[in-house]
Amino acid sequence: KAGVTQTPRYLIKTRGQQVTLSCSPISGHRSVSWYQQTPGQGLQFLFEYFSETQRNKGNFPGRFSGRQFSNSRSEMNVSTLELGDSALYLCASSSGQGSHEQYFGPGTRLTVT
Amino acid sequence: AQTVTQSQPEMSVQEAETVTLSCTYDTSESDYYLFWYKQPPSRQMILVIRQEAYKQQNATENRFSVNFQKAAKSFSLKISDSQLGDAAMYFCAYNDYKLSFGAGTTVTVRA
Repeated sequence: KAGVTQTPRYLIKTRGQQVTLSCSPISGHRSVSWYQQTPGQGLQFLFEYFSETQRNKGNFPGRFSGRQFSNSRSEMNVSTLELGDSALYLCASSSGQGSHEQYFGPGTRLTVT
Repeated sequence: AQTVTQSQPEMSVQEAETVTLSCTYDTSESDYYLFWYKQPPSRQMILVIRQEAYKQQNATENRFSVNFQKAAKSFSLKISDSQLGDAAMYFCAYNDYKLSFGAGTTVTVRA
């Protein structure tokens, strides 16, 4: 099976702009979760989508949003970028049931200047 | 909210030796899952091992094994016969509907 893919891998944006990140889960997986990783805050949960519905949400401002399509692919959008949004954004795929074992993509490195 | 604590920021081990990474967590749940993830310099998070809380038997995956102490809320990872490729950041994670991660332990393997 192909693993989790994320595009783009690297991104440089200017403060105030918006950005969209994409994640394709493992075939058959219906759950996609997003995490932000920074040196200061570590790994933090953003949100989870399951069958096109946001099932859980972390403690991030409304500038962070996402959606999931019928093929389980997910996108994450960040509007009005701030310097503090610079981070590695990781997408994780799971069946959405049982142990909720999550498999991660390679991440998107976002730099905001 | 669940909290996960990894008290060792860095650990160093000689190749072929054994190293143990510590992890404690806080939860009021009785049924949950615990994981160890490895993040090498490539930044790809790799699932190393998982433990189901209702199972008393400690999980083992090749050279990786855990010591799960439910009452103490402790979940340590033992890496046996350490190899150079084991060098990475290791994260302990608690899973209910999301993964809550510890701060990580950087493992260095000396040749």
